[in-house]
Amino acid sequence: QSALTQPASMSGSPGQSITIPCTGTGSDFENYNLVSWYQQQPGKAPKLIIYEGTKRPSGVSNRFSGSKSGNTASLTISGLQGEDEGNYYCCAYAGSGSHFGVVFGGGTRLTVL
Amino acid sequence: EVQLVESGGGLVNPGGSLRLSCAASGFTFSSYNMNWVRLAPGKGLEWVSSISSSRSYIYYADSVKGRFTISRDNTKNSLYLQMSSLRAEDTAIYYCARGEQHLIQMDVWGQGTAVTVSS
Repeated sequence: QSALTQPASMSGSPGQSITIPCTGTGSDFENYNLVSWYQQQPGKAPKLIIYEGTKRPSGVSNRFSGSKSGNTASLTISGLQGEDEGNYYCCAYAGSGSHFGVVFGGGTRLTVL
Repeated sequence: EVQLVESGGGLVNPGGSLRLSCAASGFTFSSYNMNWVRLAPGKGLEWVSSISSSRSYIYYADSVKGRFTISRDNTKNSLYLQMSSLRAEDTAIYYCARGEQHLIQMDVWGQGTAVTVSS
């Protein structure tokens, strides 16, 4: 199954903006906006923060935004806050036929300095 | 309140079996695709399996194919994961998650149930 590549860690200061990239392979990933982003904080279940590449579920702060260009999807967090610390994962469909499924990126640990 | 509650986790010997359950409430369970996702110690999220609302489509990660079986009972609003031939690397917290319009749009998650495979 295809892989999604994210940086293992990133950091930023309160108030800054940060962009987490997610690079994928395959024509489906490149041609469609079917990418989701999840936030997971220690001891908690993952939380959907972006779907279909750019859409925010109800209740998610507008400081979170998604974009996609070619084979790279990106999550931007503006006005960083301490509560944004955690792990962020991109997610997309992968494979075809008997190997069709879902894949998560390796995750990016975000530290707010 | 929309809710998913997993159960059935525990300590099991390598080669053993375990059945996880996920009880859904607060929404029309039969209308949604469902997923199992796991988080191993020190690792990232890993998708395990998905099942469509009417059981027409079932998918597995290569790492569990042939060992795990996903199922659902729409009359009981429940999702299941039968795990057999368990290995140490299956040790993880297992989450069930509702798939909204797309399987990858997992908008509701349970709190997770821990599975430890060790002798």
